[in-house]
Parts: sequence; structure tokens; C-alpha cells
Amino acid sequence: NAGVTQTPKFQVLKTGQSMTLQCAQDMNHNSMYWYRQDPGMGLRLIYYSASEGTTDKGEVPNGYNVSRLNKREFSLRLESAAPSQTSVYFCASSGKTGGTMNTEAFFGQGTRLTVV
Amino acid sequence: DAKTTQPPSMDCAEGRAANLPCNHSTISGNEYVYWYRQIHSQGPQYIIHGLKNNETNEMASLIITEDRKSSTLILPHATLRDTAVYYCIVRVAGAAGNKLTFGGGTRVLVKP
Repeated sequence: NAGVTQTPKFQVLKTGQSMTLQCAQDMNHNSMYWYRQDPGMGLRLIYYSASEGTTDKGEVPNGYNVSRLNKREFSLRLESAAPSQTSVYFCASSGKTGGTMNTEAFFGQGTRLTVV
Repeated sequence: DAKTTQPPSMDCAEGRAANLPCNHSTISGNEYVYWYRQIHSQGPQYIIHGLKNNETNEMASLIITEDRKSSTLILPHATLRDTAVYYCIVRVAGAAGNKLTFGGGTRVLVKP
């Protein structure tokens, strides 16, 4: 049981390049989230998916797109990376496990992205 | 989700109890108080949550005032490994897609 797995762990992009951050959870959770954390700041919600097939904008969605590929996977895409998107990106999931509604969220270890 | 207010930083002596306050004066009746911590830029880790009764688990205790406008997270015997940023969050529990909105948190430094 790996929990929430993010790939890659580190990435350097040039301005204008695109990339997709991958996130997968093995806890059968319905809801998944993408956050970014800038140095010395708290986490800010980019997008979330309440359940498979649905996605909604969070606090800072501009410059990002997401795909809830299936119940396990939730990807975040940067179409044209900008230096302002240099940050640490965290994926999280929450929801039912078995017959119990686990209300806490579980986080991945983050993807450290630098855009030069 | 209701907003929370926490002190930006606090120090604590190793082996002593650490009491972390949180103000959430606009909390709604169906919102829970959650605490998470983030150690050295790792992913945040769930600690505890509660609605109106005091809660305790193996990591910490949560004391919520009777009017639910504030709460205190207690780490009973702080260790150096408890040095982290602690986030107090209020949210509706159990609803699909209910969001976690993070504030600035309290940076706790446990000193030998």
C-alpha cells in the first residue's frame, strides 16, 4: 500500500515547455487534489476532483489543466510553463476506504518544479 | 470554508508540552477542525480532527472551546522530530470533494 505516489520528484523546464505531473493513489479514494506551495508559504489549491469524471477549479487554476483519468489517477498539466510556476506541487486524496469514510486527506511527497 | 488564525511561530522545549492555538470564530455548525503538520517540505501529514468534543490519539490532543470559536492542539511531550509547520483547518467532513484550505500555519521549533 503505497498511498499517494507522485512522479517525477524533480523537474527543470524551460519557459514555454509543457509537461504533465502524474499522481496515483491506491486507497480507492473518490476525491483527489492538486496543490502548489511556494517557498515559505502555505499550500494553495489548484484543482480538485470530487469523484471520477468531475474536476473543479481551486484557488489558483490559471495556467494549469487537469485530467481525472480514472479513480486512481489525477494528472496536472502545464501547457506553457512560466517562471511563476516554479513551486513544489503536492497531490492528495481523500474519501472512503472499504466501508469507512476517512475524512482526512493523504498527501504525496511532492514534485519540485523549476522553470527557467 | 471558515478561515483560521494561528501565531506564525513558537518555540518549545524538548520533553515539554506544546500548546498550539487556533482561532476560527466564523466556523459553521457542520465544519470540523483539522490539524495537519508539514515536516521539512514533505507532504502534509494528518494529525487529528474534531467537531465539538475533545479528541485524543497517539499523536496529540485537540481541545475545542464550548463555543467552537477556537481550539488548541497539544503535543504532550514534544520531541525534536515534532519541529514542523502546523496547520489548523476547518472544513465540512465526509462530503465528496470537500476542500482543504491552508493558511500560513504555525512554525514550531522544538529545542533541546
